[in-house]
Amino acid sequence: DAEITQSPRHKITETGRQVTLACHQTWNHNNMFWYRQDLGHGLRLIHYSYGVQDTNKGEVSDGYSVSRSNTEDLPLTLESAASSQTSVYFCASSPTVGYGYTFGSGTRLTVV
Amino acid sequence: KQEVTQIPAALSVPEGENLVLNCSFTDSAIYNLQWFRQDPGKGLTSLLLIQSSQREQTSGRLNASLDKSSGRSTLYIAASQPGDSATYLCAASWGKLQFGAGTQVVVTP
Repeated sequence: DAEITQSPRHKITETGRQVTLACHQTWNHNNMFWYRQDLGHGLRLIHYSYGVQDTNKGEVSDGYSVSRSNTEDLPLTLESAASSQTSVYFCASSPTVGYGYTFGSGTRLTVV
Repeated sequence: KQEVTQIPAALSVPEGENLVLNCSFTDSAIYNLQWFRQDPGKGLTSLLLIQSSQREQTSGRLNASLDKSSGRSTLYIAASQPGDSATYLCAASWGKLQFGAGTQVVVTP
């Protein structure tokens, strides 16, 4: 069955370190997204991609970057982790604009 | 600004009652609206997707309506069960999904 997987499930890192969260989907979806979920703020869009080599900033993109070298993967990199980036991160995919989203199980990141 | 609002933030009902969850959005030019369920510490499970051309969608005990002109969607859950306890999220797509803050539901036995 097609799926979208995130790794790791849990991560603890130190302030200032570079961290990469993985997202891999086997739906062959063109569109992929990264959200973060925080109490009091709900789910907010970080970055998104509409296809290979395409990346775009969302509403909370500062301190994050993504790259899309193939259809299946959209890794999220925190260039220099900050305590404000402690959050739960969700990856999602959809075939194209106008279709529903499928979400991964999330990565809980703690920056100490 | 395109925003999604869910009221109330929390709801408690006795088992067997029907649940009514409300969602409002500011711009009627949506592609679609999607309802999700989230259990504590878990990911998002898609419940229903309503395209902008549709008025409602149904799946088992769940029914979601969409009124674009008034900027509203309602999720109905019939004959609630304790297993329906979760947070329900509404999200509208104007190209990308924009989420409401969610309604936390508790169904008491």
